[in-house]
Amino acid sequence: AQSVTQLGSHVSVSEGALVLLRCNYSSSVPPYLFWYVQYPNQGLQLLLKYTSAATLVKGINGFEAEFKKSETSFHLTKPSAHMSDAAEYFCAVGGSARQLTFGSGTQLTVLP
Amino acid sequence: GAVVSQHPSRVICKSGTSVKIECRSLDFQATTMFWYRQFPKKSLMLMATSNEGSKATYEQGVEKDKFLINHASLTLSTLTVTSAHPEDSSFYICSARGGLAGSTDTQYFGPGTRLTVL
Repeated sequence: AQSVTQLGSHVSVSEGALVLLRCNYSSSVPPYLFWYVQYPNQGLQLLLKYTSAATLVKGINGFEAEFKKSETSFHLTKPSAHMSDAAEYFCAVGGSARQLTFGSGTQLTVLP
Repeated sequence: GAVVSQHPSRVICKSGTSVKIECRSLDFQATTMFWYRQFPKKSLMLMATSNEGSKATYEQGVEKDKFLINHASLTLSTLTVTSAHPEDSSFYICSARGGLAGSTDTQYFGPGTRLTVL
């Protein structure tokens, strides 16, 4: 069975500051991990994915995430927040049937 | 590439009527499609998984007779909400994945359909 925990349902950062969104996973098999972003009333857009290659994964819009097996974590970071980054972010783990199990989401607010 | 569309984007219907939502993969063949439901300010809840040409697999607690899923081709899946009631009002999102069933290919999501049942 797989599960995902996203710490912090709401995160606020100032424009230009570091963005850190936390994700911890549980998986009985080698995990496939994803970060998706959702803007209001829209579907999900893939930011990046980890599929057992490099542990540091670079995605779109300047985001990256590092897979740490020892910590069972896959935190999402961006060095400098932009106003357009304000959205809901979901971490997900791929299951045995390659279904996705989603975390509860983190709402990112970027303050001017 | 990897574009998934949904139609309609928004639908309002009367209680007791049925509503069909289409999910299309526009530039790839989707061997597997997924249907999710999202409540306000909540995460996505997987409703069912469908592989082309076979019956959908429903998650526990999802009524298969109420939420009819058809995946008749490699580019189209439909979700029909039968005899809709106000509690069925929600944001429905589909996703599609190419490759073999159970593959690790990425799921690509549609833009969602907002269903409101009066």
